[in-house]
Amino acid sequence: KAGVTQTPRYLIKTRGQQVTLSCSPISGHRSVSWYQQTPGQGLQFLFEYFSETQRNKGNFPGRFSGRQFSNSRSEMNVSTLELGDSALYLCASSLRQAVNTEAFFGQGTRLTVV
Amino acid sequence: GQSLEQPSEVTAVEGAIVQINCTYQTSGFYGLSWYQQHDGGAPTFLSYNALDGLEETGRFSSFLSRSDSYGYLLLQELQMKDSASYFCAVSEGGKLIFGQGTELSVKP
Repeated sequence: KAGVTQTPRYLIKTRGQQVTLSCSPISGHRSVSWYQQTPGQGLQFLFEYFSETQRNKGNFPGRFSGRQFSNSRSEMNVSTLELGDSALYLCASSLRQAVNTEAFFGQGTRLTVV
Repeated sequence: GQSLEQPSEVTAVEGAIVQINCTYQTSGFYGLSWYQQHDGGAPTFLSYNALDGLEETGRFSSFLSRSDSYGYLLLQELQMKDSASYFCAVSEGGKLIFGQGTELSVKP
């Protein structure tokens, strides 16, 4: 079966712009999580959606938001981009919101803010 | 809050055995996971320990001691393709809290 698909793979934006990233989870998976990965901070949790509801949110400013659709596809949006938002944004899907559920990651979207 | 500590780098030779340690501090603990990430790639799940003891999956094994808040990933018969970053992570509901990652370099 198809894995987690993230689009676009690469993106270059200018400071102050906004960006929307997309994630299509594995078919049947209802939990989608987003992570930001940078060399300095490592992998940091952004938010998690389950059945269209945000269940968890990480410690990021309100400029970072997301949503999940009825087909479990998810988008995250970053407004008023800053240079520090340059990172690899990873999406992970899970079958359910269980603590021992294996998370399947997409290849990520590499965002560069100039 | 939650924090995980793991070494930043480990180097080993092909065919050897290497152990990557992870210590954690958590407010609630549900289990310790390990993920592998090759440069620029997606993290992939390797193993999960909810209870104390050793879990073996082929060349990879993972160990957990809840009383010591400690776990490790053991890689045997190292191959060049094992060169990657390895992350330990604790689960909290639908969210994973990751360690900073250990970069493993396998030399011929």
